[in-house]
Amino acid sequence: DVKVTQSSRYLVKRTGEKVFLECVQDMDHENMFWYRQDPGLGLRLIYFSYDVKMKEKGDIPEGYSVSREKKERFSLILESASTNQTSMYLCATVQGHKETQYFGPGTRLLVL
Amino acid sequence: DAKTTQPPSMDCAEGRAANLPCNHSTISGNEYVYWYRQIHSQGPQYIIHGLKNNETNEMASLIITEDRKSSTLILPHATLRDTAVYYCIVRVASQGAQKLVFGQGTRLTINP
Repeated sequence: DVKVTQSSRYLVKRTGEKVFLECVQDMDHENMFWYRQDPGLGLRLIYFSYDVKMKEKGDIPEGYSVSREKKERFSLILESASTNQTSMYLCATVQGHKETQYFGPGTRLLVL
Repeated sequence: DAKTTQPPSMDCAEGRAANLPCNHSTISGNEYVYWYRQIHSQGPQYIIHGLKNNETNEMASLIITEDRKSSTLILPHATLRDTAVYYCIVRVASQGAQKLVFGQGTRLTINP
């Protein structure tokens, strides 16, 4: 079974803090994604990566950056957290162009 | 991706079969039907997918009509842990590395 883990289930940060969210997968998948999910807005893609050191902007990259130094690890960085970044953050992974995305458990971030 | 229509909510008694419908009348020939579910405060979980033949796995069965304009996800013996929001998505398989877009889904409640 594919295993996708995220560093925290719940996180509380203050406005202006730098926040790191980490995602690790154990299946050697090439593609990894960061989404955020908000009530009424569904899933929105922040960034994705097709390979180590490669990254592509998704639909809402503003205020975020990412890092992929190793194939199994994809980090989402909030450079200066703001209250409108309070959300559920979901990491997903998929092998090449196969069809199924596998998600981590999610990190619920609250920015005060 | 083709648009899907699902009922906003459904109820089912524990131990009975839960049948979740999905309409996708504009589906094209190379688009698959995927089902995911999301239990409260967790990441989405892949359930099953199919092209035109009925499919079954350890979690569920997928019945696709002959004209492919609709499908039904069947949970044969629903348990309380199956309470979740169920999402039906249609997409081209080779777009597995593209972002997932969830609609509103069906909120399934399993009652004891």
